[in-house]
Amino acid sequence: RKEVEQDPGPFNVPEGATVAFNCTYSNSASQSFFWYRQDCRKEPKLLMSVYSSGNEDGRFTAQLNRASQYISLLIRDSKLSDSATYLCVVTPGDSSYKLIFGSGTRLLVRP
Amino acid sequence: DAGVTQSPTHLIKTRGQHVTLRCSPISGHKSVSWYQQVLGQGPQFIFQYYEKEERGRGNFPDRFSARQFPNYSSELNVNALLLGDSALYLCASSLGLANQPQHFGDGTRLSIL
Repeated sequence: RKEVEQDPGPFNVPEGATVAFNCTYSNSASQSFFWYRQDCRKEPKLLMSVYSSGNEDGRFTAQLNRASQYISLLIRDSKLSDSATYLCVVTPGDSSYKLIFGSGTRLLVRP
Repeated sequence: DAGVTQSPTHLIKTRGQHVTLRCSPISGHKSVSWYQQVLGQGPQFIFQYYEKEERGRGNFPDRFSARQFPNYSSELNVNALLLGDSALYLCASSLGLANQPQHFGDGTRLSIL
């Protein structure tokens, strides 16, 4: 079983739509959680950290459910520029510095 | 301020050769990590260095090695290149605290012929 699992998509949605991505992780000791965005052939860029209480940044909302080992990302009012791959990322929780990435979920926003 | 910088941008090598990839972290960042990303997958952790010491190693063969210099820049070396080493190699820097997000460079795209 992969440490971080994501639906690969692609999710093909019209502009203005609301879309949600889910991610599960296998290590219950995982400490920190992030969503990164990666454009085609570019480097991953931090989109937002994910906190237990849930957090929002503009059109983006992230939720964490530790009991179910589940992370979500909600994008409201999708823009063409949101088209990218969204990577779910966790840290192992052993004071490690490494990031563990899912394979990513691809989003295509059409006009 | 400059972000994480990596060189070269692209590299073409043949099987059996060796390669050295370079990374300069964000100013003030003391931790550098290396990741390998093959097409269709998320980045996979290779090494992490902090204050010139190796702090973590992923599941990669001994052909992969790295080091960090006093100015916190880093090199990743890969010997005896295989076709399967073709990938995007990403360097990331952070302040050096555990469980923190990392900031990535543009990467080096390595192709093995």
